[in-house]
Amino acid sequence: DIQLTQSPSSLSASVGDTVTITCRASQNIAMSLHWFHQKPGKAPQLLIFAASNLKSGVPSRFRGSGFGTSFTLTISSLQPEDFGEYYCQQNYRPPSLTFGGGTKVDIK
Amino acid sequence: QVYLAQSGTEVKKPGSSVKVSCQASGATLNNYAISWVRQALGQGLEWVGGILPLLGTVTYAQKFQDRVTITTDDFTATVYMELNSLTFDDTAVYFCYFGGSPIDYWGQGTLITVSS
Repeated sequence: DIQLTQSPSSLSASVGDTVTITCRASQNIAMSLHWFHQKPGKAPQLLIFAASNLKSGVPSRFRGSGFGTSFTLTISSLQPEDFGEYYCQQNYRPPSLTFGGGTKVDIK
Repeated sequence: QVYLAQSGTEVKKPGSSVKVSCQASGATLNNYAISWVRQALGQGLEWVGGILPLLGTVTYAQKFQDRVTITTDDFTATVYMELNSLTFDDTAVYFCYFGGSPIDYWGQGTLITVSS
């Protein structure tokens, strides 16, 4: 099974800050890496697909990068509504998929 | 517009089974990779298993391999997940998820509580 290691597990940042979350895969998954945002009590929502593509309607302050085994989600100019949990997900061999452990983002 | 409607909250005894449904409106099952994902309170997302209805391919996470079954009913556009031999650790919200970048559709979640 493909494992995803996400870091950090939590972070606290101020409005306007830039934050970075990393996700490492246990094997090469090319660009089959996606990023989700989840707020308490809600289902996750897709932000970035195929490593670096912004889903329609998602603000441009979200940026994804990476290939192979190392991936990054960067949030520029953090906004109050960006609090919550962020997860990376791989689907290199569908329908199998894996989620990273999550990163909790708190707004100072 | 695609909408996924899941069945309601369940309370089950340890050792029993539960079957959760997810009915899609505005969607054809064959167009998606469909998964069941669970989330215990305060915990992360955990993939239970998935199906590619177009190919008839079903795959389960190794930890659930022996006690989960995912099926579909094309006529009603409904996906089912049956989980057997329930333990307290199975208490969680279970989501159905239709994926296929850049698509993601999620059900509202079904709370399954395992309690004696």
